[in-house]
Amino acid sequence: EDQVTQSPEALRLQEGESSSLNCSYTVSGLRGLFWYRQDPGKGPEFLFTLYSAGEEKEKERLKATLTKKESFLHITAPKPEDSATYLCAVQDRDDKIIFGKGTRLHILP
Amino acid sequence: DTGVSQNPRHKITKRGQNVTFRCDPISEHNRLYWYRQTLGQGPEFLTYFQNEAQLEKSRLLSDRFSAERPKGSFSTLEIQRTEQGDSAMYLCASSSTTRRELDYGYTFGSGTRLTVV
Repeated sequence: EDQVTQSPEALRLQEGESSSLNCSYTVSGLRGLFWYRQDPGKGPEFLFTLYSAGEEKEKERLKATLTKKESFLHITAPKPEDSATYLCAVQDRDDKIIFGKGTRLHILP
Repeated sequence: DTGVSQNPRHKITKRGQNVTFRCDPISEHNRLYWYRQTLGQGPEFLTYFQNEAQLEKSRLLSDRFSAERPKGSFSTLEIQRTEQGDSAMYLCASSSTTRRELDYGYTFGSGTRLTVV
């Protein structure tokens, strides 16, 4: 059965303190791995899609990487506005999309 | 097109009542997903449609839940005989399969928050 595990559950960083979020997955036929950002009371907002091991994508202070078993979301010099829950999801060969529980990120000014 | 629209935004209902939610996807999107999310959890897959066809339904979804997408446009999610455990945020997402849609991810609506009292 497809499974997505994210760690840590919560992370508090000082502004400017870089770190990484982890997403470990098992999936039947990976079609894509997604990263989303979710603010309280809102729907998830798309960030990245990764397709195969070794792939990397960047957007502003965020960089996502992918291996055969996990993905990392690196946050460089974060700002308070980066505070949110970051969700990882995988799409399997049947086009079902399974989400992890997310990492709650809090950036302190 | 202003994105994925969900109505109502909030719904409070008494246990045992039926409720129906609506999702209007982005007009050119032919794929539509429903998710349920509780506090502190990630979205939980419920079902998805390609055009008007319901392609998969979660094994976790009880018979009290039903979804439709007539004419492949908007979709409705109905919950019959609601229970307190149904209290959650219900999210809808849409995408196109006519291009390399995965590059653009799935666009989510703001959700419908259901409270069963």
